[in-house]
Amino acid sequence: SYELTQPPSLSVALGQTATISCEGNDIGSKSVHWYQQRPGQAPVLVIYGTSNWPSGIPERFSGSSSGNTATLTITSAQAGDEADYYCQVWDRRTEVFGGGTRLTVL
Amino acid sequence: QLLLQESGPGLVKPSETLSLTCSVSGGSVSNTDYFWGWIRQPPGQGLEWIGTKHHSGSGYYNPSLRSRLTMSIDTSKNQFSVTMTSLTAADTAVYYCASRIKTKNAFDVWGQGTKVSVSS
Repeated sequence: SYELTQPPSLSVALGQTATISCEGNDIGSKSVHWYQQRPGQAPVLVIYGTSNWPSGIPERFSGSSSGNTATLTITSAQAGDEADYYCQVWDRRTEVFGGGTRLTVL
Repeated sequence: QLLLQESGPGLVKPSETLSLTCSVSGGSVSNTDYFWGWIRQPPGQGLEWIGTKHHSGSGYYNPSLRSRLTMSIDTSKNQFSVTMTSLTAADTAVYYCASRIKTKNAFDVWGQGTKVSVSS
């Protein structure tokens, strides 16, 4: 079965750029989605189709993918960006989620 | 605006069957542009996909859960449901329903989640 690997945690200083990775075999050929989950809340889609913004998501969030790594980049990190972030792909008739990355804004 | 709301029993005994329903407002479960899915999250853990179903009848299930799952869509009530049999403590989780629109192929709208505990 397909696996997605994310770093468990990441810290970023307020106003700086956070880069969250998601590794999977040839993930660059897949459509990657990213979700933000604040404590006690349901996940929210922040990037779909590797690099597209859903309505209402600021352009501080951006996505890219190449080879075996997909990346979610958050520029000018704010306190409200502190959350868990999950990548997700569709592979052989299954939805696959990464293990999640907890982002701390210092 | 599409809104989803889960409902379920809260507490289930081991070996029993769990039934969860997701009520849809602001849209129709018959809309062929949408798939309807279930995702769960055990306490302190990440997201686990359970299954996804389309109004046409096509469905996709997590292989590790497939033998215990049934998903259905009720167009008369504008709801979709999941049934999971032979529950164990490992099935304790928050269960989310979500919509997956074809134009994004991602889970774009989520319910608030319903907590299910499996305990005697």
